[in-house]
Formats: sequence, structure tokens, C-alpha cells
Amino acid sequence: AQSVTQLGSHVSVSEGALVLLRCNYSSSVPPYLFWYVQYPNQGLQLLLKYTSAATLVKGINGFEAEFKKSETSFHLTKPSAHMSDAAEYFCAVSEDSGGGADGLTFGKGTHLIIQP
Amino acid sequence: GAVVSQHPSWVICKSGTSVKIECRSLDFQATTMFWYRQFPKQSLMLMATSNEGSKATYEQGVEKDKFLINHASLTLSTLTVTSAHPEDSSFYICSAILGHTEAFFGQGTRLTVV
Repeated sequence: AQSVTQLGSHVSVSEGALVLLRCNYSSSVPPYLFWYVQYPNQGLQLLLKYTSAATLVKGINGFEAEFKKSETSFHLTKPSAHMSDAAEYFCAVSEDSGGGADGLTFGKGTHLIIQP
Repeated sequence: GAVVSQHPSWVICKSGTSVKIECRSLDFQATTMFWYRQFPKQSLMLMATSNEGSKATYEQGVEKDKFLINHASLTLSTLTVTSAHPEDSSFYICSAILGHTEAFFGQGTRLTVV
């Protein structure tokens, strides 16, 4: 069985500051890991995904995440926060590289607040 | 990127009525689509896997007779909430799988049962 734990339901940072959203996973097989962003009343947009090609994954909007097997982590970072980054962020795990075979298992989400 | 469209974006219905939600892949064919449910300020929970031309596979605890899924074509899956009750009020999101490369999500449907 797979599971995802996102530490911190809410994270608040100042505009221009570093963004760090934490994600730890549990999987019985080598995992595929995803970060999605959700704006209010909208669906999910893929930020980036880890598919074992490289441990440091760069995504859209300046976000990146690093896969650390020893720590079972896949934390999301961005060097400098923008007001437009305010949204809900979900970490997800799958046994399929496309997230398609059996669906995705999501964490509970982290609400990112950007303070001016 | 590929586009998945859900319709309607929001719907209000009376208790006891049925509501149909459509999920369409606009520019690709999707053999597999997934339906998720999201409660306020919570994560997405997988409800069922919709496969074109066959019966849907439901997750444990999801009532298949209440949440009817039909995947009649490679670009359309529908979720019908039958005999809706206020506790069915939620945000429903579908995803369609492009090949085996990526899941694309619809914009979601907010259902309110009064």
C-alpha cells in the first residue's frame, strides 16, 4: 500500500522568500512521485514528477523537488515566492510513471500563503 | 498540454434527484479515466476507475449503485450521483490518462445538494 504525508496543512512565507513544502511517502515498490497545484475551484495542474531519471526534478513556475530515497522524501522548493504561488499543493504517489495504472494516492495538501 | 473538460462546473440539486457529471478528453483518447472526490480542505480520494467499454472499478467503501459511471467512448466518461443527499455535496474531479505518460485533470464539479 502507498501513502503520502504532507507536513503542515498551511505554510506562510513572505514574497521573495524561499518556499519549502514537505512530502514524505511510503511505498512497497519504487515510487513515482508527483506535485500538483490547485487554485480555488479548479482542477489540478501538474508541477513536476519524479520517474527515476534524475533525483532533482525541475518543474514549471520555478519549482523543483528532490527525491531522497534514504529519507523517503520528495520536498518541493522554490527560491523566491511570488504572490501568484498562493494555492493548494498536493503531493502524490503512484506505481505507474504516468499516474495512470491505478490512479494516484494524494497527500492531504498544503495551503501556501504568500504574505506581501 | 492535453485538455480535460468537466461539465457542469457547479450544480445545485434537490435531495432525492440525480445529477450527471461529464468528463471529456478534448484532444486525445483516454481508455482510462478516474473519478475523485474532494471534501472541503481535504485531499482527493479516488472513487473509481472508469475503463472504456467495461464496467467501472470502485474503491472500497464507494457505493456503485449510488455513483454510476459510464465510459461509453474514448473521450467521455460520466458520473451520475443517484438519489442525491446533502452528504453527497462535494467537489468531484476526473482525470484522463494520456497513453501511460500523464494524468490530466478536469477543472472539477462542485455539487451542492439541498
